[in-house]
Amino acid sequence: TQLLEQSPQFLSIQEGENLTVYCNSSSVFSSLQWYRQEPGEGPVLLVTVVTGGEVKKLKRLTFQFGDARKDSSLHITAAQPGDTGLYLCAGAPSNTGKLIFGQGTTLQVKP
Amino acid sequence: DAGITQSPRYKITETGRQVTLMCHQTWSHSYMFWYRQDLGHGLRLIYYSAAADITDKGEVPDGYVVSRSKTENFPLTLESATRSQTSVYFCASREDPRAGNEQFFGPGTRLTVL
Repeated sequence: TQLLEQSPQFLSIQEGENLTVYCNSSSVFSSLQWYRQEPGEGPVLLVTVVTGGEVKKLKRLTFQFGDARKDSSLHITAAQPGDTGLYLCAGAPSNTGKLIFGQGTTLQVKP
Repeated sequence: DAGITQSPRYKITETGRQVTLMCHQTWSHSYMFWYRQDLGHGLRLIYYSAAADITDKGEVPDGYVVSRSKTENFPLTLESATRSQTSVYFCASREDPRAGNEQFFGPGTRLTVL
């Protein structure tokens, strides 16, 4: 069974701080995605990384895919209260259409 | 409405009752999925469907039944609800995998089994 371990599970920080969320597996994925979920809503895609070593930036968010395509990280610079939410990583084992999700990281950014 | 919708948004039922959660998408996406979300477990796949009349089990299929007679609808039935099935259920859809991996999620159904 392929698993994605996400850490930390909970993070509470002050506005302006930086943070990193990790997503690790012993399995190789053809691609890895990061979703963000607000309370009472479904997850929404932030980014997809496909190539080992790939780095993508989305404003203050930086996403990296490990060289071996087994892990990924999400770094947020100067976090803001609007960044509060649940962040989920999801890996595609192959082009099967299915995704495997990590447990999620609940981020709270205090003003 | 365009997009993916779920109904009902909230449901309270009793142990042993049959419950059906509805999912409808307007994009004609070939793939549809049902997940449950529980604290500490992220999203776990219950069932998925690659096309009309094609369904397959996911990670946690026991106690659930699905059907897909039309591309746009993918209902999930709990044949005899149990307390352990109290959860938030999300439906999702996506295009053919060759077009990319993004899944589009509905707003969820919060189900409580008493």
